[in-house]
Amino acid sequence: GESVGLHLPTLSVQEGDNSIINCAYSNSASDYFIWYKQESGKGPQFIIDIRSNMDKRQGQRVTVLLNKTVKHLSLQIAATQPGDSAVYFCAETESRYTGANSKLTFGKGITLSVRP
Amino acid sequence: KAGVTQTPRYLIKTRGQQVTLSCSPISGHRSVSWYQQTPGQGLQFLFEYFSETQRNKGNFPGRFSGRQFSNSRSEMNVSTLELGDSALYLCASSRQGGYGNTIYFGEGSWLTVV
Repeated sequence: GESVGLHLPTLSVQEGDNSIINCAYSNSASDYFIWYKQESGKGPQFIIDIRSNMDKRQGQRVTVLLNKTVKHLSLQIAATQPGDSAVYFCAETESRYTGANSKLTFGKGITLSVRP
Repeated sequence: KAGVTQTPRYLIKTRGQQVTLSCSPISGHRSVSWYQQTPGQGLQFLFEYFSETQRNKGNFPGRFSGRQFSNSRSEMNVSTLELGDSALYLCASSRQGGYGNTIYFGEGSWLTVV
């Protein structure tokens, strides 16, 4: 089956630097994408989402970029802080599930480690 | 407002037993979905309920089942537990499901099968 995957399992960044987390997806029918952050012992926390009719969306200190041509999604975190240390997941779903809920397909996850 | 609440948080069961997990969605949310998270398989979709009806189902055996009540609370059941069922079971809710409806997750129920 098709899946969403992440390029790197871990990412270490210096506090204050910008972080970029990448995600490749293989399902060309996917048109809604979400980034989640999961801290140890907790459930995934919604960060930001983007629809396929957009290329970029910004939130507070975060930006998601979508490149449908190469099926690539990225999450940019500005001025990374120690509290950003967590596992980050990208997830995707298709419009045919819009009448229903999010049958989300998740990537494997990437660990972001922030060095003080 | 209160988030998605899952009970119990931790439980240990023996192979062959069955287990029921409970989820209370955020107030006003009518869509509830369940996911299984394991180190090997990551997060995998189990099923989703809206207005007491199952609308979507993932690729899990029939031992995994669920239901939703009229107050939107949901339960999932796993019968004839296997060691491989040990996982974090996550419940997620959204207002009505689908495109653009933010999906919020609970803290999960940690199931260990021995």
